[in-house]
Amino acid sequence: RKEVEQDPGPFNVPEGATVAFNCTYSNSASQSFFWYRQDCRKEPKLLMSVYSSGNEDGRFTAQLNRASQYISLLIRDSKLSDSATYLCVVNSEEGSGGGADGLTFGKGTHLIIQP
Amino acid sequence: DGGITQSPKYLFRKEGQNVTLSCEQNLNHDAMYWYRQDPGQGLRLIYYSQIVNDFQKGDIAEGYSVSREKKESFPLTVTSAQKNPTAFYLCASSKRTSGSLHTDTQYFGPGTRLTVL
Repeated sequence: RKEVEQDPGPFNVPEGATVAFNCTYSNSASQSFFWYRQDCRKEPKLLMSVYSSGNEDGRFTAQLNRASQYISLLIRDSKLSDSATYLCVVNSEEGSGGGADGLTFGKGTHLIIQP
Repeated sequence: DGGITQSPKYLFRKEGQNVTLSCEQNLNHDAMYWYRQDPGQGLRLIYYSQIVNDFQKGDIAEGYSVSREKKESFPLTVTSAQKNPTAFYLCASSKRTSGSLHTDTQYFGPGTRLTVL
């Protein structure tokens, strides 16, 4: 079975600090990777897609390590509003059209930014 | 505004009743999905549809049914056969770029919280 593993946390981090967490995936054929943010009792919202070369969006940086099969999310200068659960999402079907895009969701990492 | 809507936001059901959850999107997306989320768990796929009048079972389809008569709509019925229906139900849609090795981003509706009394 294709797995996506995340440390559930919670990560308690002081405001302004840098925090990073990883997500490991088991399917070496995975091609698409995403980080979603989910606030309590709300729907997941796309934070960023993860590209092979890594990508940055403001204070957020995502990186992919195919050799070790993990993706990472780095948050710099953390804000109170960054407190949420961060879901790692990986596609687990090779090629197009297979399955429901074969997305597998991690259980999420709970981040708490403290004032 | 373009987006995905789900209704109702909260739903209470008595045991033995069927209930239908609504999902509508005006993003012109081809593919739509239903997930359930239980506390402390990842999302699990119930059903998905890549095109109108076609749908496929996901990982936990037992006790659920769907229809896809219109591109914009993908209602989910939770039947009395579903033994543990209390959960947070999320509908999503994606563009479905054909011929791509990459998965299109899925966008979620606000969810329906179903409680069985």
